[in-house]
Amino acid sequence: DAKTTQPTSMDCAEGRAANLPCNHSTISGNEYVYWYRQIHSQGPQYIIHGLKNNETNEMASLIITEDRKSSTLILPHATLRDTAVYYCIVRVVNDYKLSFGAGTTVTVRA
Amino acid sequence: EAGVAQSPRYKIIEKRQSVAFWCNPISGHATLYWYQQILGQGPKLLIQFQNNGVVDDSQLPKDRFSAERLKGVDSTLKIQPAKLEDSAVYLCASSLKAQGNTGELFFGEGSRLTVL
Repeated sequence: DAKTTQPTSMDCAEGRAANLPCNHSTISGNEYVYWYRQIHSQGPQYIIHGLKNNETNEMASLIITEDRKSSTLILPHATLRDTAVYYCIVRVVNDYKLSFGAGTTVTVRA
Repeated sequence: EAGVAQSPRYKIIEKRQSVAFWCNPISGHATLYWYQQILGQGPKLLIQFQNNGVVDDSQLPKDRFSAERLKGVDSTLKIQPAKLEDSAVYLCASSLKAQGNTGELFFGEGSRLTVL
């Protein structure tokens, strides 16, 4: 019972912004949107999360639509090291476990 | 700060043999998770511990998989007997469940199991 829908793959040019979409049309009011990424042969790594407002940290920005049914993760200046599988996850506020889908494989090309 | 430690990194066994994986979470993290990641798929939660108690083991194949977390720190995941379809990476993660916390899960590098 996937809660999020993401494109299977996308390419991005090095130095350009990468915009990763995620659809979560059935999200509930007590659910956060989390983003993790998994670089080859490593465990997943936390990127960012949000509830209603847009968020920014040193890694990325998260834009959540007003109706909360979709969001976009923005990597402002993609580097080759950003090549990874990116997971968009909807998580209940007080339940820390994560349910991963297949994610989006992002390839940054020189 | 030391991360989540897992061992062994790689293990190759024959079907019907047994195997055990070890995880040492980040110090002070009360919640520990074991995930199974089959090639090409996202990680799937097997079991979640809060201290040394099981919170969720609904997706753990209990006829062959077992896990324990003695003293609420280290954890072991055991498979006995292994099947071909158990070939996967087994990821351990931990989190600090506290008010105002981001709820971030910290993952280890995983243990890759190949069953022949």
